[in-house]
Amino acid sequence: KAGVTQTPRYLIKTRGQQVTLSCSPISGHRSVSWYQQTPGQGLQFLFEYFSETQRNKGNFPGRFSGRQFSNSRSEMNVSTLELGDSALYLCASSSGTGAFEAFFGQGTRLTVV
Amino acid sequence: AQSVAQPEDQVNVAEGNPLTVKCTYSVSGNPYLFWYVQYPNRGLQFLLKYITGDNLVKGSYGFEAEFNKSQTSFHLKKPSALVSDSALYFCAVRDGGNRGSTLGRLYFGRGTQLTVWP
Repeated sequence: KAGVTQTPRYLIKTRGQQVTLSCSPISGHRSVSWYQQTPGQGLQFLFEYFSETQRNKGNFPGRFSGRQFSNSRSEMNVSTLELGDSALYLCASSSGTGAFEAFFGQGTRLTVV
Repeated sequence: AQSVAQPEDQVNVAEGNPLTVKCTYSVSGNPYLFWYVQYPNRGLQFLLKYITGDNLVKGSYGFEAEFNKSQTSFHLKKPSALVSDSALYFCAVRDGGNRGSTLGRLYFGRGTQLTVWP
């Protein structure tokens, strides 16, 4: 069974640009969550999607957005990039919430210059 | 509010010795607790979880964790450490009694860097 796939693995962008990251969850999983990981702030929750609906959102500015498609694949978009957006972005998929563990992808390393 | 604390940024242990990585949590409902491990430039890898039942949970690679409700702790343990266990370990919690607001969201600790020296 294939794991969670995130593309691309690495990205370098310039301040002010926008970026789209992609996540393909484990087959059959309908819940997808996104996290930002930085050395200073640790793992911070961005948003959660289930069956194409955003069910939960963390404390990030509106420049951060996401969506989920009917096949459960998810994308997140960051507009008007800032240097502080440099981070490892992790996607996690789960067959449900509550007691179900989340499985993480390898992450996308975004560097903003 | 939900939160997780990992009081030690770093744990150092000799190979073959037992290891413990500490975690305490705070949730308003029943806790669903998880441990993850992260190797450099990789995603998080699931190790084990506590949902209900036996307070000692066994997971992957010989790791286990002990749930203590009165101390709100969920410490990760391994009887005999390996050099290959060196990595960053994260404890996480979901609130099982407050699904309307937190749903699938995981609350993570800051992580503990485990170093096992030969």
